[in-house]
Amino acid sequence: GENVEQHPSTLSVQEGDSAVIKCTYSDSASNYFPWYKQELGKRPQLIIDIRSNVGEKKDQRIAVTLNKTAKHFSLHITETQPEDSAVYFCAANQAGTALIFGKGTTLSVSS
Amino acid sequence: KAGVTQTPRYLIKTRGQQVTLSCSPISGHRSVSWYQQTPGQGLQFLFEYFSETQRNKGNFPGRFSGRQFSNSRSEMNVSTLELGDSALYLCASRTWGDQETQYFGPGTRLLVL
Repeated sequence: GENVEQHPSTLSVQEGDSAVIKCTYSDSASNYFPWYKQELGKRPQLIIDIRSNVGEKKDQRIAVTLNKTAKHFSLHITETQPEDSAVYFCAANQAGTALIFGKGTTLSVSS
Repeated sequence: KAGVTQTPRYLIKTRGQQVTLSCSPISGHRSVSWYQQTPGQGLQFLFEYFSETQRNKGNFPGRFSGRQFSNSRSEMNVSTLELGDSALYLCASRTWGDQETQYFGPGTRLLVL
């Protein structure tokens, strides 16, 4: 089955800096890669996703890149703000299979 | 549309007891997945149900079981509770097929004493 590794486990940045979180997956058949943000005491919420027919996707300050050959994908957050502080999870699957998550990255943005 | 709901929100049990958690998916969503969340372990997949059938299963012992009803509501049961079962249990719903976006409920916080 699918296995997703996520790095780093913790990340501290200054407000205005960029943050990058990286994930690798094991199943070459996976074709859907979402990212979730979980604020303290709240449920995980989808912030962006990418499918394997696309190499990069942007939504305002966040972007995700995918390298299918290397089986890794990354989340990029630019101009970080204190409200970006949260736990971020990457995940991977293909249609009809379980959505498997990485262990999460705790991002702290200090002002 | 109303979001995914879970009941109860909090539970305290003792070792050896059993517990049943409930999840109501978003209207129209026929797939329900369950995850266990603990510090440092992230979101560990338990199982997924679609059309009342278990479609995917994670690597958890048989003490963890689930079912889905004809209205897509799902229950998860844990028998013979252990201290290590203390966790936040999240369910998530999605449509089945190409649209894979998964929406999470607020979770049930289980404490085993």
